[in-house]
Amino acid sequence: DGGITQSPKYLFRKEGQNVTLSCEQNLNHDAMYWYRQDPGQGLRLIYYSQIVNDFQKGDIAEGYSVSREKKESFPLTVTSAQKNPTAFYLCASSIGMTGRAKNIQYFGAGTRLSVL
Amino acid sequence: GQSLEQPSEVTAVEGAIVQINCTYQTSGFYGLSWYQQHDGGAPTFLSYNALDGLEETGRFSSFLSRSDSYGYLLLQELQMKDSASYFCAVNSGYSTLTFGKGTMLLVSP
Repeated sequence: DGGITQSPKYLFRKEGQNVTLSCEQNLNHDAMYWYRQDPGQGLRLIYYSQIVNDFQKGDIAEGYSVSREKKESFPLTVTSAQKNPTAFYLCASSIGMTGRAKNIQYFGAGTRLSVL
Repeated sequence: GQSLEQPSEVTAVEGAIVQINCTYQTSGFYGLSWYQQHDGGAPTFLSYNALDGLEETGRFSSFLSRSDSYGYLLLQELQMKDSASYFCAVNSGYSTLTFGKGTMLLVSP
């Protein structure tokens, strides 16, 4: 089955530690995205990538880093510089630049990150 | 900047019809999407409007008025499984979406 796989489902971070969230897709999509969701809040864009070896900052990129070395993979690192990392992190993918056409994003099941 | 406004919570009973409104202010606009998210789950795409008017997909319909910067999602014949959060999102044409804060729909028996 085609889809997006995020791992782990739950993750705990110690003070001063960097942690990496995995996101893999087998939909052959060009574009991939990382969102952060806090309780009662919408989805806020952290980083996105429209093509391999290229990515752009979203609205809340500070304290996060990404890489896009392969089309199917877009890992997110939450660095120690992110002082409030506790949140639900969602990865998504889409076919890419669509102009006026609908840009359907397909989401993974998410990773819930907590600070110890 | 971009901003989307939608009610934080809506309640309804099984079998009823409910409308979730969304108003937006964005620097660019190509279309309005709606996503459903069950508690703790992955958001899933429901519908998209690029032009004014109503789009119908089974029990769900979505409406857009570009001149009013306004859209809504209409859910008919409500079922308990429709209890979820619903997000409107603007497609500004750069392959990214800007999401609203979501409306939690509570369906009671």
